[in-house]
Amino acid sequence: DAGITQSPRHKVTETGTPVTLRCHQTENHRYMYWYRQDPGHGLRLIHYSYGVKDTDKGEVSDGYSVSRSKTEDFLLTLESATSSQTSVYFCAVGGTYYNEQFFGPGTRLTVL
Amino acid sequence: GQQLNQSPQSMFIQEGEDVSMNCTSSSIFNTWLWYKQDPGEGPVLLIALYKAGELTSNGRLTAQFGITRKDSFLNISASIPSDVGIYFCAGPSYNTDKLIFGTGTRLQVFP
Repeated sequence: DAGITQSPRHKVTETGTPVTLRCHQTENHRYMYWYRQDPGHGLRLIHYSYGVKDTDKGEVSDGYSVSRSKTEDFLLTLESATSSQTSVYFCAVGGTYYNEQFFGPGTRLTVL
Repeated sequence: GQQLNQSPQSMFIQEGEDVSMNCTSSSIFNTWLWYKQDPGEGPVLLIALYKAGELTSNGRLTAQFGITRKDSFLNISASIPSDVGIYFCAGPSYNTDKLIFGTGTRLQVFP
């Protein structure tokens, strides 16, 4: 257990509304990641952070932004949600050894 | 780009049977990670491998880092119903802090 919580765990929203997902960790990991998981696509990296205020894009970053103002929190924002962003979102933190990552429990987001 | 191919895509086995799955890459990896994902949960790290040829066990699970560094294998002995889930391999993308994930092997165990 890497002390990762995600909130909310489930959310239903409407197209065009802004949505923010939160990832919180308690073990002071430097690296944090946001993934989405969809049938047929596996886990795809959206954005990641390598320190406070240091973030970079992943392979599917369009339509998403992130912020990390504290070590323990990494926020994922959908500025204007679309139905294609219906997915399960996972936060992960980077271990201190050899690229290991530890995942949170996920947030299931439905955009109607 | 780097890709990880997992096989088989799915397996349907009887309780008590042994399971074997593998992951292959077109490029060399320096680390191999194996995760399991239960329905409705996040992936959980099962085994991490750091050296070519390394064989590591975690209970009934055994994983090997292929000597070519382009493949890895995961074996589960004497399967039980709670082994049901999706198993992913993963490795670090070259010279980055990002992981590449395989497409997963879905395991079903019947009593």
